[in-house]
Amino acid sequence: EAGVAQSPRYKIIEKRQSVAFWCNPISGHATLYWYQQILGQGPKLLIQFQNNGVVDDSQLPKDRFSAERLKGVDSTLKIQPAKLEDSAVYLCASSLSTKDEQYFGPGTRLTVT
Amino acid sequence: KQEVTQIPAALSVPEGENLVLNCSFTDSAIYNLQWFRQDPGKGLTSLLLIQSSQREQTSGRLNASLDKSSGRSTLYIAASQPGDSATYLCAVPRGRNNNDMRFGAGTRLTVKP
Repeated sequence: EAGVAQSPRYKIIEKRQSVAFWCNPISGHATLYWYQQILGQGPKLLIQFQNNGVVDDSQLPKDRFSAERLKGVDSTLKIQPAKLEDSAVYLCASSLSTKDEQYFGPGTRLTVT
Repeated sequence: KQEVTQIPAALSVPEGENLVLNCSFTDSAIYNLQWFRQDPGKGLTSLLLIQSSQREQTSGRLNASLDKSSGRSTLYIAASQPGDSATYLCAVPRGRNNNDMRFGAGTRLTVKP
């Protein structure tokens, strides 16, 4: 069974630039999550999708972050414009449903200079 | 609000030792608790998932226990090996019906040969 795929694996941008991350969940998984993990901390949920609908985006900084999952499969997370404090690893995870075990992708390491 | 704390933040042991990692959470109304492993620059790998009705789960040299009433979980690693060196994170869902995982900051384990 293929795992959660993410790209790119690494990205370096200057502040005020835009960046987008892509996630392909495990086939058949209805629930998809985006987490932000700052160095030395545990992951923090940014947004949770159930199929193509948003379940929870209460911790997403909506002035600069956006995410979509138009067809209920792949998802993209965008930051526009980026700030220095956005430097982190962005993890995507998926699960069969909201109460099932989550499986994580390898993450995208973002550095904002 | 669910808060998760892990102690110690870092641990260094010689190869072959048995060790215990601790996780505490403030809201005992959880329906599961999950332990993850994270290698440097990588995503999270699920180690053990304990349902709220269970007291412990075992996988190979790993044993995780759960005491909901006291808000604690422990991860026991037997006969530690250098390959066990990684950061170990515990996570609990935010609420009864929401799989928004709240993570601890992790314990960084180093097993010296």
